[in-house]
Amino acid sequence: DGGITQSPKYLFRKEGQNVTLSCEQNLNHDAMYWYRQDPGQGLRLIYYSQIVNDFQKGDIAEGYSVSREKKESFPLTVTSAQKNPTAFYLCASRIAPGELFFGEGSRLTVL
Amino acid sequence: SQQGEEDPQALSIQEGENATMNCSYKTSINNLQWYRQNSGRGLVHLILIRSNEREKHSGRLRVTLDTSKKSSSLLITASRAADTASYFCATDASGGTSYGKLTFGQGTILTVHP
Repeated sequence: DGGITQSPKYLFRKEGQNVTLSCEQNLNHDAMYWYRQDPGQGLRLIYYSQIVNDFQKGDIAEGYSVSREKKESFPLTVTSAQKNPTAFYLCASRIAPGELFFGEGSRLTVL
Repeated sequence: SQQGEEDPQALSIQEGENATMNCSYKTSINNLQWYRQNSGRGLVHLILIRSNEREKHSGRLRVTLDTSKKSSSLLITASRAADTASYFCATDASGGTSYGKLTFGQGTILTVHP
């Protein structure tokens, strides 16, 4: 079935470690997005990419990095520079300017 | 910064009543979208309204858009307990360096009591 797969669903990180969240889509969408959601809050845009080998910073890009080497994949690295990384991370894709299709999210906890 | 601001933050109603949620935004948009999120899950798209449209319907959902006031509303009619979720508006930037940027509001938590 077509869709977006995020992994892992749950992830624990020690302070000072980098972690990478995976996002894969088989919808043949050009645009992909990473959002962060804190408890009881809306979604804040971290990075987005509209085409392979190109991406733009969102509103809260500091402490995060991404790559877009393949159309299907848009991994997010949470670096040690991100001071408060505990959150729910959501990946999405679309054919702009249409609707977003979301994955089920990855919950990152810093120990 | 958040593009969309939603109100109310929380809404509690009885089954069968209507629920109205509002969204305001700040800059020019290509379209405005509404999403639903069940607790701990990804978001699901409900309806998209383009900047040149004023009203759109989908089943029990009605969305309006007023670009002069930079605001939108989502009406859910004859609500059901299964409508209990968080609802978010998202604005699709219309162009320039923000083309393709989709920004979400804070959301409205809807609780429908049986």
